[in-house]
Amino acid sequence: DSGVTQTPKHLITATGQRVTLRCSPRSGDLSVYWYQQSLDQGLQFLIQYYNGEERAKGNILERFSAQQFPDLHSELNLSSLELGDSALYFCASSVVGGRGRGTGELFFGEGSRLTVL
Amino acid sequence: GEDVEQSLFLSVREGDSSVINCTYTDSSSTYLYWYKQEPGAGLQLLTYIFSNMDMKQDQRLTVLLNKKDKHLSLRIADTQTGDSAIYFCAEISNYGGSQGNLIFGKGTKLSVKP
Repeated sequence: DSGVTQTPKHLITATGQRVTLRCSPRSGDLSVYWYQQSLDQGLQFLIQYYNGEERAKGNILERFSAQQFPDLHSELNLSSLELGDSALYFCASSVVGGRGRGTGELFFGEGSRLTVL
Repeated sequence: GEDVEQSLFLSVREGDSSVINCTYTDSSSTYLYWYKQEPGAGLQLLTYIFSNMDMKQDQRLTVLLNKKDKHLSLRIADTQTGDSAIYFCAEISNYGGSQGNLIFGKGTKLSVKP
């Protein structure tokens, strides 16, 4: 058990819909990262938050957004869903992650599997 | 841009050694990582190597780094069926919006036959 909790574990929805994925980081970790895992693209970095602020942005679509709340949990919002958004979405956390300091070891949750029909 | 490449599949027999290879593009990467993903689980850090090292050994795991060729390998000695998983190579991004974050390869699926 990594200590990172993601909900829901599975989600099935239709094209055009909007979903929210939730992540609770390990106790004491200030950074939260979101990754998308698909068969063709592999593991793609989406976005990172550190202590409530956006720190780094990767290959995140404009239809997707995220935030980190004062209690450090994070949510990833996916809107106007398309079939190609079907994937496993991972949240990870780490103690460090401030600008320029690198990530340190990442602890991953078990992922939220999104299926768009 | 940065890219981390790995072969997608490797099949070995129990008791043999497994060697998983990876090439990366960013020569300034300070750390290189190997993560393991078991079925139905998230990724877990297996080991890492600092860029000024050529080799790191940790029990059955040996990591070799060739900085000149930007080649990283993970050797698992006496491979067991419990080692069956997907192994990801990763480097730290030093460019653009994802700077400071891990860039992963697509993963090598290791199958261990009894």
